[in-house]
This record gives sequence, C-alpha cells and structure tokens, in this order.
Amino acid sequence: AQSVTQLGSHVSVSEGALVLLRCNYSSSVPPYLFWYVQYPNQGLQLLLKYTTGATLVKGINGFEAEFKKSETSFHLTKPSAHMSDAAEYFCAVSDWGGTASKLTFGTGTRLQVTL
Amino acid sequence: GAVVSQHPSWVICKSGTSVKIECRSLDFQATTMFWYRQFPKQSLMLMATSNEGSKATYEQGVEKDKFLINHASLTLSTLTVTSAHPEDSSFYICSASGDHYNEQFFGPGTRLTVL
Repeated sequence: AQSVTQLGSHVSVSEGALVLLRCNYSSSVPPYLFWYVQYPNQGLQLLLKYTTGATLVKGINGFEAEFKKSETSFHLTKPSAHMSDAAEYFCAVSDWGGTASKLTFGTGTRLQVTL
Repeated sequence: GAVVSQHPSWVICKSGTSVKIECRSLDFQATTMFWYRQFPKQSLMLMATSNEGSKATYEQGVEKDKFLINHASLTLSTLTVTSAHPEDSSFYICSASGDHYNEQFFGPGTRLTVL
C-alpha cells in the first residue's frame, strides 16, 4: 500500500519569501509523485510530476520539487511567494505512470501568503 | 490542454432523492475516469475507477449500489447518488485520462448538499 504524509496542514509565508511544502511518501515500488494545486471550489491542477529520470522537477508557476529516494521525500518549493499562490496543495503518489494508475493523496497543505 | 467539465457545479436536493453528476472530457477521449470525494478541509478519496464500456471498480468501503457510475462513452461518465442522505453531502470531483496522456485531468468539482 502507498501513503503520503504532508507535514503542516497550514503554512503561512510573506510575499516574496521562500515557499517550502513538505511531502513524504511510502511505497513498496518505485513511486510516481505529483503535486497538485486546488483553488477554492475548483478541481485540481497539476503543478509538476516525477516519473523517472532527473530528480529535480520543474513545474508551472515557478514551483519545483526534488525527489529524494533516501529520504522518501518530494518537497515542493518556490523561491519567491506571490499572493496568487495562496491555495491548497496536495502531494500524491501512484505506483505506476499509466493512464489508469490510481492516485493516493496526502491530506493537503493550505498555503497562506501575506503582505 | 485537456479539459474536463462537470455538471452541475453545485446541487441541493432533499433527502431520499437521487442526484446525477456528469463528467465530460471536452477535447480528448477518456478511456479511464475516476471519481473522488472530498470532505471540507480534507483530502480527496478515490471512490471508483471506470473504464469506457465496462463496470466501474469501486474502492473498499464505497457502496456500489448507492453510488452508481456509468461510463457509456469515451467522453462521458456519470455518478448517480441514489437515495441521498445528508451524510452524502460533499464535494465530488472527477478526473479523466486517455491513451495519449500520462496524467489525470481533473474536473472543477460538484458540490452536493443534501437537506
């Protein structure tokens, strides 16, 4: 079975500050890892994903994440927060990258950006 | 990019009635569709996976007779909540994937309130 742990249900940063959202996973097979963003009353939008290859993955809106197998982590970062980044962020894992692969989501981290 | 729509975006119904939610892939053929349920301030929980033309596969603990899923075409899947009760009130999100994609595309969600 796979699982995802997101440390910190709520993170608050100042505009322009570094954003760091933590995600640790558990998987018995090489994982495929995803970060999604959800704005209020909307569906999820894919920020970035790791399947194979380069462990540092760059996504949309200036976000990036690094897959660290030894730490079973896939933390999401952004050098400089913007007000528009305020949203709910979900880390997810699947056991393969096929189109029918099931996603297991973490509990989410709400990012607040203050002036 | 691939677009997934849901209809309605919100619905209020009386206890004991049935509600149908539609999920459509607008610009691609969705061989697989997923239905998720999200409680307030919580993560997404996969309810079922449906492949076009075949019966849906339900996750453990999800009542298949209560949550009827039909995936009759490559662009449409429906979720019918039968004999709805207040505890069925939730945010229902669908996602879709197709043969030419290696990710799921999420709909905007449907908020169901059962009175």
